[in-house]
Amino acid sequence: DAKTTQPTSMDCAEGRAANLPCNHSTISGNEYVYWYRQIHSQGPQYIIHGLKNNETNEMASLIITEDRKSSTLILPHATLRDTAVYYCIAYQAGTALIFGKGTTLSVSS
Amino acid sequence: NAGVTQTPKFQVLKTGQSMTLQCAQDMNHEYMSWYRQDPGMGLRLIHYSVGAGITDQGEVPNGYNVSRSTTEDFPLRLLSAAPSQTSVYFCASSVRGGGSYNEQFFGPGTRLTVL
Repeated sequence: DAKTTQPTSMDCAEGRAANLPCNHSTISGNEYVYWYRQIHSQGPQYIIHGLKNNETNEMASLIITEDRKSSTLILPHATLRDTAVYYCIAYQAGTALIFGKGTTLSVSS
Repeated sequence: NAGVTQTPKFQVLKTGQSMTLQCAQDMNHEYMSWYRQDPGMGLRLIHYSVGAGITDQGEVPNGYNVSRSTTEDFPLRLLSAAPSQTSVYFCASSVRGGGSYNEQFFGPGTRLTVL
């Protein structure tokens, strides 16, 4: 079973920040938090990952709580093209990526 | 680079038939994997490989075989197709599976229907 819990669905207005939460209360110290997204029926796309510190790249920001029990993926200015299923994954190096059901984000104008 | 390619894009089989789904990558990635995705569900790992000659089972390996004779190719074989194997199959690759960095690149998928 996936080690993360995410809301089934979320809505966001175009141009606003989309904040996607993820609960990983049983994450171990050597597990990373990875985020992928899947647009329509395409293959998933890597977004960002982190261990303890907050991370930012050209696509998103990842905020990890100090106790590492939860995290938030932030899309600063959501567009219609960000409508997708977002997967939060607890990943241990040397193992395989295990996907859960993710959060369906709907961005509307 | 073509990235990760999969063939065929669509396939219809009859129960009991066998077939091979092809996956190739031109990025010299060591790590390759196969997932299946059923309607409304997340991806489930079937098999994976950390390098040529090395394969291992994932979450749902039954009914599938894999081999990795080259770095570039990772075919998935359905031994005797069943309706329960109707799904979308994704192949993925990454630089390596042993490090903390595991950005996987996914192919476009093969949509398989078993009647």
